[in-house]
Amino acid sequence: EAGVAQSPRYKIIEKRQSVAFWCNPISGHATLYWYQQILGQGPKLLIQFQNNGVVDDSQLPKDRFSAERLKGVDSTLKIQPAKLEDSAVYLCASSWGAGGPTDTQYFGPGTRLTVL
Amino acid sequence: KQEVTQIPAALSVPEGENLVLNCSFTDSAIYNLQWFRQDPGKGLTSLLLIQSSQREQTSGRLNASLDKSSGRSTLYIAASQPGDSATYLCAIYNQGGKLIFGQGTELSVKP
Repeated sequence: EAGVAQSPRYKIIEKRQSVAFWCNPISGHATLYWYQQILGQGPKLLIQFQNNGVVDDSQLPKDRFSAERLKGVDSTLKIQPAKLEDSAVYLCASSWGAGGPTDTQYFGPGTRLTVL
Repeated sequence: KQEVTQIPAALSVPEGENLVLNCSFTDSAIYNLQWFRQDPGKGLTSLLLIQSSQREQTSGRLNASLDKSSGRSTLYIAASQPGDSATYLCAIYNQGGKLIFGQGTELSVKP
């Protein structure tokens, strides 16, 4: 079974530029998550989708971050404009059910973003 | 607000040693607790999941314990190997069904 795929794996941009990340979840998984992991910290949930609807985006900085999952499968996360503090690894995860403690999350390899 | 703390932040041991990684959380109202492993450039791999009604789980050389009343969990690794070198993350599922992570312990096992 193929795992969660993410691209690109690495990205370096100048501050104030824009960037987009792509995630392809495990086939059939209804719920998709985007996490931000700053160096030396644990991952922090940015946004959670169930199918193509947003379940939780309370920690997404909406003035510069946006995410979509239009057809309920792939998802993109965009940052515009980027700031230095956005340098982090962006992890995508997916799960079979509707999310929650009995719904195992499977993580992708992440995209490492460096903002100069 | 639930906070998860892991101590130490980094640990270096010689091969063959038994070791303990610590995790503490501020709110005992958790659904379960999970230990993950993170290798450089790779995603998170789930190691052990302990339900809130359980006290420990074992998988091979790994044993995780949970004491909800004191807000603590430990991950015990027996007979460490260089291949165990990675960052170990503790995460709790809170009552809202959200994963809250600690900052991780970076383990290095020297041959």
